[in-house]
Amino acid sequence: DAGVIQSPRHEVTEMGQEVTLRCKPISGHDYLFWYRQTMMRGLELLIYFNNNVPIDDSGMPEDRFSAKMPNASFSTLKIQPSEPRDSAVYFCASSLWGATNEKLFFGSGTQLSVL
Amino acid sequence: AQTVTQSQPEMSVQEAETVTLSCTYDTSESDYYLFWYKQPPSRQMILVIRQEAYKQQNATENRFSVNFQKAAKSFSLKISDSQLGDAAMYFCAYRGDNYGQNFVFGPGTRLSVLP
Repeated sequence: DAGVIQSPRHEVTEMGQEVTLRCKPISGHDYLFWYRQTMMRGLELLIYFNNNVPIDDSGMPEDRFSAKMPNASFSTLKIQPSEPRDSAVYFCASSLWGATNEKLFFGSGTQLSVL
Repeated sequence: AQTVTQSQPEMSVQEAETVTLSCTYDTSESDYYLFWYKQPPSRQMILVIRQEAYKQQNATENRFSVNFQKAAKSFSLKISDSQLGDAAMYFCAYRGDNYGQNFVFGPGTRLSVLP
């Protein structure tokens, strides 16, 4: 398997623009997580899905952030409108509950810069 | 809610020496999983080692080993024969054994390896 695939790897945008981050989890995994990493706040959980259903979105900063998982192989995190304080690395990760040696597999992250 | 604490924001070690990174967690559950993840400058999150709480034996992976003290809720990582490539951020993480639980991460410890 190719692992968790995120795109784009880097995104530079201007304040007020819409940003969409994409994630393809590992095939067969039933959990998908979105994390945000900044120097000030470390690694924050934004939202996670189980079998495509959002379980906990309490970490989503505000209404400007939304996440969807229309099927088991694709998820998006959208920011509209974007602001400079949204600049961070956004990670997608997936896991399979109950698997032998279950662990969290991370994508390579999207470095978002909002100017 | 579960919390994970890493009290050492930064650590340093001489090459070939041994270093121990601390992690404590708070939970009321009896069954859970603990992890150490490494994040080198490439920003890729890499699993270092995994421990199941019901196993008394401490996990080991080559030069990496843990000291798991369930009663004290402590999960430290020992790196032996430190190498320059071990320089990274290290995150301790917790996941409960109940279906529907997310992974909770600590704030991280930045490890420097001195030649």
